[in-house]
Amino acid sequence: ETGVTQSPTHLIKTRGQQVTLRCSSQSGHNTVSWYQQALGQGPQFIFQYYREEENGRGNFPPRFSGLQFPNYSSELNVNALELDDSALYLCASSLGRDRNEKLFFGSGTQLSVL
Amino acid sequence: GNSVTQMEGPVTLSEEAFLTINCTYTATGYPSLFWYVQYPGEGLQLLLKATKADDKGSNKGFEATYRKETTSFHLEKGSVQVSDSAVYFCALGMNSGYSTLTFGKGTMLLVSP
Repeated sequence: ETGVTQSPTHLIKTRGQQVTLRCSSQSGHNTVSWYQQALGQGPQFIFQYYREEENGRGNFPPRFSGLQFPNYSSELNVNALELDDSALYLCASSLGRDRNEKLFFGSGTQLSVL
Repeated sequence: GNSVTQMEGPVTLSEEAFLTINCTYTATGYPSLFWYVQYPGEGLQLLLKATKADDKGSNKGFEATYRKETTSFHLEKGSVQVSDSAVYFCALGMNSGYSTLTFGKGTMLLVSP
């Protein structure tokens, strides 16, 4: 049990729609990172939020956006969904931005785009 | 760019067998190295880490040594249990104003009684 919860656990959308995924960080964690894990692949870094500001982004287009709230919960929004967006989306919280800070992962949201 | 290559699975072993999962990396700079484990239906959990060359990370009987000369971080366990069945991910971590992990594709381990 990591203390990081994600909702919903499963979601089905159609191409072109928009989706919002939610993450509740472990208490006291001011940093959240989002990862996309395609079937049979390792997770890929989408972006990181630190104290409500985006402070790093991976190789994902602008239609992937996020928010981090004052209580450090966060959202991942994806606009204009494409079939290739079907994946498990993981959020991970940590005490800070240092690479050696332990990441605590949620169980993920499985998104299927039809 | 940064990348991690790990052996393809599944790796199938009998209980009490010796485990090795190979991992090599390419990085600009000096990364930290990690092994994460993912049990079915769960998120990733940190198994062990090493932050500099020649460091050995260990946890729950698993070990891995950061070898800069061979750019490797192989995971080993002397005697696996059925409960070790999971997917194992090797990853490297870098700081560029923010922290990011680059993962390998994962290796599934199946341990039979």
